[in-house]
Amino acid sequence: DAKTTQPTSMDCAEGRAANLPCNHSTISGNEYVYWYRQIHSQGPQYIIHGLKNNETNEMASLIITEDRKSSTLILPHATLRDTAVYYCIVRRGDSGGSNYKLTFGKGTLLTVNP
Amino acid sequence: EAQVTQNPRYLITVTGKKLTVTCSQNMNHEYMSWYRQDPGLGLRQIYYSMNVEVTDKGDVPEGYKVSRKEKRNFPLILESPSPNQTSLYFCASSPLRLGGEQFFGPGTRLTVL
Repeated sequence: DAKTTQPTSMDCAEGRAANLPCNHSTISGNEYVYWYRQIHSQGPQYIIHGLKNNETNEMASLIITEDRKSSTLILPHATLRDTAVYYCIVRRGDSGGSNYKLTFGKGTLLTVNP
Repeated sequence: EAQVTQNPRYLITVTGKKLTVTCSQNMNHEYMSWYRQDPGLGLRQIYYSMNVEVTDKGDVPEGYKVSRKEKRNFPLILESPSPNQTSLYFCASSPLRLGGEQFFGPGTRLTVL
């Protein structure tokens, strides 16, 4: 799986958009970009994933650059409850047991301030 | 409500006393997995299962056993726990489809004295 690079920490004001970047310059054509978050010691929570196109769901938007070497997770209106460690993960989407393994790096600690 | 449940949530035990951490999912997912999380080491996969009676080792399987007799359950067994197995454990499940996301349980904090 491709390696990802994320900033160690970021701050955001409550109500503002939070934009979390991720670099994955070695991503290959069949690898998806996934975002998860973990609120202190709770189980990681799936947020969104994408392959090439930008994606949006009720939680967030995912913007993937045209060359797929980087992406940005956008939380449109951050709240205090969005304070968490956010993990950007790249992995293959095809079948095969080991392909379902998630490898979490250090992630970005997002702190939403009142 | 679709969910992954784990029991117990907290456990303190002593070296060598066999224990089982249960994991159950109600989403009819084929894939299930166990991870452990330790400070500075991130999440590491212990074992996974692609379906009933199909299990395989992850990155750190030593000292653990699993079984998958039913689709919904995937217990983690520590036959002879040791202090280096003190950790936060997560069970996860996923449908077997292209790009399928994983759903995690709430975690089990295990302390082995």
